[in-house]
Amino acid sequence: SQKIEQNSEALNIQEGKTATLTCNYTNYSPAYLQWYRQDPGRGPVFLLLIRENEKEKRKERLKVTFDTTLKQSLFHITASQPADSATYLCALVYSSASKIIFGSGTRLSIRP
Amino acid sequence: DTGVSQDPRHKITKRGQNVTFRCDPISEHNRLYWYRQTLGQGPEFLTYFQNEAQLEKSRLLSDRFSAERPKGSFSTLEIQRTEQGDSAMYLCATLRGSNYGYTFGSGTRLTVV
Repeated sequence: SQKIEQNSEALNIQEGKTATLTCNYTNYSPAYLQWYRQDPGRGPVFLLLIRENEKEKRKERLKVTFDTTLKQSLFHITASQPADSATYLCALVYSSASKIIFGSGTRLSIRP
Repeated sequence: DTGVSQDPRHKITKRGQNVTFRCDPISEHNRLYWYRQTLGQGPEFLTYFQNEAQLEKSRLLSDRFSAERPKGSFSTLEIQRTEQGDSAMYLCATLRGSNYGYTFGSGTRLTVV
């Protein structure tokens, strides 16, 4: 079965630095990959989507890369702020789009 | 409010009781999904509907679980004879289309005591 691995440890970085989160998967590549933010007690909020034929996607301070050879996606937050502190979830979507498979998430803390 | 609404936000029940959760989706989104999330884990797929048709069910969805979406509008998820292992956050999500992400509700947190 498909497995997704995200940074197993929480990530703690200084405000203003770039946060980089990793998502690795096994087996076959998805049609596209999504990143979500989740705050405690809330549902996930969609951030970015990248397709298998795209190498990089940007949105404001966010950047996502997708390497199907390495079976890896990297999620970057530049000029990080304490308000960026949350859990970030990687999710794989296969061509049927019948469901998405989530990783367990990485908890990111930005200290002032 | 044009988001996905879930009710109740919290539910505490005794083991063996039945519970029902409701999800009101964004009206123009015809796909509706149910996920379950436990602490420290990502959401796990339970089932999904295309309009009123239930098209896929996870093996996680035992016989005690049933979901409906009458008339392709709101959806309900019922758990019969609850067990402590059912304690989790139950999330509802809708999908506008494959070029967009899922829109999740805030979830229903179930605690079985």
